Amino acid sequence: AQSVSQHNHHVILSEAASLELGCNYSYGGTVNLFWYVQYPGQHLQLLLKYFSGDPLVKGIKGFEAEFIKSKFSFNLRKPSVQWSDTAEYFCAVKDNAGNMLTFGGGTRLMVKP
Amino acid sequence: GAGVSQSPSNKVTEKGKDVELRCDPISGHTALYWYRQSLGQGLEFLIYFQGNSAPDKSGLPSDRFSAERTGGSVSTLTIQRTQQEDSAVYLCASSLSFGSYEQYFGPGTRLTVT
Repeated sequence: AQSVSQHNHHVILSEAASLELGCNYSYGGTVNLFWYVQYPGQHLQLLLKYFSGDPLVKGIKGFEAEFIKSKFSFNLRKPSVQWSDTAEYFCAVKDNAGNMLTFGGGTRLMVKP
Repeated sequence: GAGVSQSPSNKVTEKGKDVELRCDPISGHTALYWYRQSLGQGLEFLIYFQGNSAPDKSGLPSDRFSAERTGGSVSTLTIQRTQQEDSAVYLCASSLSFGSYEQYFGPGTRLTVT
């Protein structure tokens, strides 16, 4: 079965610091990769996605992620975080064999003003 | 346009009672998914529908859980004889179709079993 690991459960940063959240998955075949964000009191929203093509994908609000196939990774990055980025971030993977998303355990990010 | 909607937003029920959770997908989306978000288990997949058909029910945690979708639109998730471990946020998502399409999530139903 597919599994997704997010190594950082809680991250605390000051505003303007750079962010990198790790995501690794176990499936060896073709995958679709996603990062979702859940702001406090709000529902899950798509931040960015990778289906094919350029492995460096850019999403909303200045976020980007890089798909490294050899490392089974899809790390999320942002050069300079803002207080409004405080949220929980979920990495998710969908393989071609199935239709559901397998989520990582989530990373709670707190940005101090 | 309207997103995925779910009702009720909160449900408190006594152990042993049955509950029904409703999901209205985005208009025109043929694929619909149910997930559960709980403290101990994170976000886990329950079941999906392509049209009115649910090809894979293996994600449902027990036979007390069932789901149906009629008319290719609204779906209901039913939990019979609720247990305290069923307490969680139940999320519904929809996508344009089966396959490589992003899933849009609703706000969820927070279920508390007392």
